[in-house]
Order: sequence, then C-alpha cells, then structure tokens
Amino acid sequence: AQTVTQSQPEMSVQEAETVTLSCTYDTSENNYYLFWYKQPPSRQMILVIRQEAYKQQNATENRFSVNFQKAAKSFSLKISDSQLGDTAMYFCAFMKLSEMSGTYKYIFGTGTRLKVLA
Amino acid sequence: NAGVTQTPKFQVLKTGQSMTLQCAQDMNHEYMSWYRQDPGMGLRLIHYSVGAGITDQGEVPNGYNVSRSTTEDFPLRLLSAAPSQTSVYFCASRTSGPYGYTFGSGTRLTVV
Repeated sequence: AQTVTQSQPEMSVQEAETVTLSCTYDTSENNYYLFWYKQPPSRQMILVIRQEAYKQQNATENRFSVNFQKAAKSFSLKISDSQLGDTAMYFCAFMKLSEMSGTYKYIFGTGTRLKVLA
Repeated sequence: NAGVTQTPKFQVLKTGQSMTLQCAQDMNHEYMSWYRQDPGMGLRLIHYSVGAGITDQGEVPNGYNVSRSTTEDFPLRLLSAAPSQTSVYFCASRTSGPYGYTFGSGTRLTVV
C-alpha cells in the first residue's frame, strides 16, 4: 500500500529566507503524480504545485519549487523568499491510477505546520 | 467563479442528532469527495463519487451517508452524531484526470 510521510510536524523560518519541507512516499508504481497543498489559517486548502513522476524536470511555481528524487521517493517543497502569508499547514499528496477501479486514488500526508517569523 | 461551496462553516450537534453538510460545485467536475481532517492524521477520505448516481466508500465511511443525484451536488449526511465525529470536514472536486482538487472552505463540526 502507498504511504506518504511528512516527518516534520512543525517548522519555522525567518521572513525572506528559504525553507524546505520534506515528503517521502512509498510505492512500487512507476507512473504517479505528486502534489503540495497549502492550508492557511483561513482553513481553505489551495493547490500549490504538481509534479508528474515521468518528468525529470522539477516543477516550479513562482517562489515555490520542488526537489523530486524518484529513486529516493522524495518530494520536498522549497519556498524561497518566505513571506508572512506563507504561514500555513502544508500537505504532500500522492496520486496514482488504481487498476482495480480505473480511478485515480489520492493519499495525503499528515502535514507540516510552517510559521514564517517577522 | 464560486468553485466549491460548502455549508455550514460551523456546526454544533448533540450526540444522536442527524444533519447534512451541503456541497456544491460549478466547475462540471466528475469527481467529488468528502474528507475529514483531524490533528496529526492529515485528511482521510470518507466517501467519494465519480459521477452522478455513483458513490463509493473511502477510508472512514462508518456513520456517514452520501448521494449524488446531480453533477453539482454531493451532500454528506451524519446519521446519528457521535463525539468521535468532531472534526473539520472538507468537500473537494476535480476532473477525472490526474489533477489537483479544488476544496471547499470546510465545516468545523463539534459533537457534544
């Protein structure tokens, strides 16, 4: 069974600095997709970034980028030039096609709470 | 562009009461799901639907019912509320492909 592990329950970073959130997963699949979601104090979950496992190039979205290491099954999120608005819970998620049902299945990690300090 | 609309935002129930959490999306998404979020446990799938008239159980379905009579609506029913159902509930929708979810704003439910 697939699992997603976020080993850092809480982190903090100074404003304008860079922080990296770690995520590891366990799968025997070759084709899958990985996501990072942000949940600010407002509670609204927002998709931050998406990575396709068959693509070697790391995904980037403005200040957010990933370090995808397929062999190591690692998918970390780097936030550059951290801003106060980046304070949130961040969830890593794994998605694959279920051969049994023909639908895509999602698995979420337990989250990392990030606090950006002024 | 409303996205996913969830109501209510907050609710307090007494043990044994029933209620329905409403969810509606206007993006014509095939997939809709209900998750519960508990501290230290991430998001756990309660029920999901791959289209109108089709629903299936997720990881933690006990005590909850769903139906999907239209593409837009996917209500979650708590049959007889228990304190263990105190949680934050999220409705989410997406297309049938390998893409991200659009989430509702969540419902904080407290069962006393």
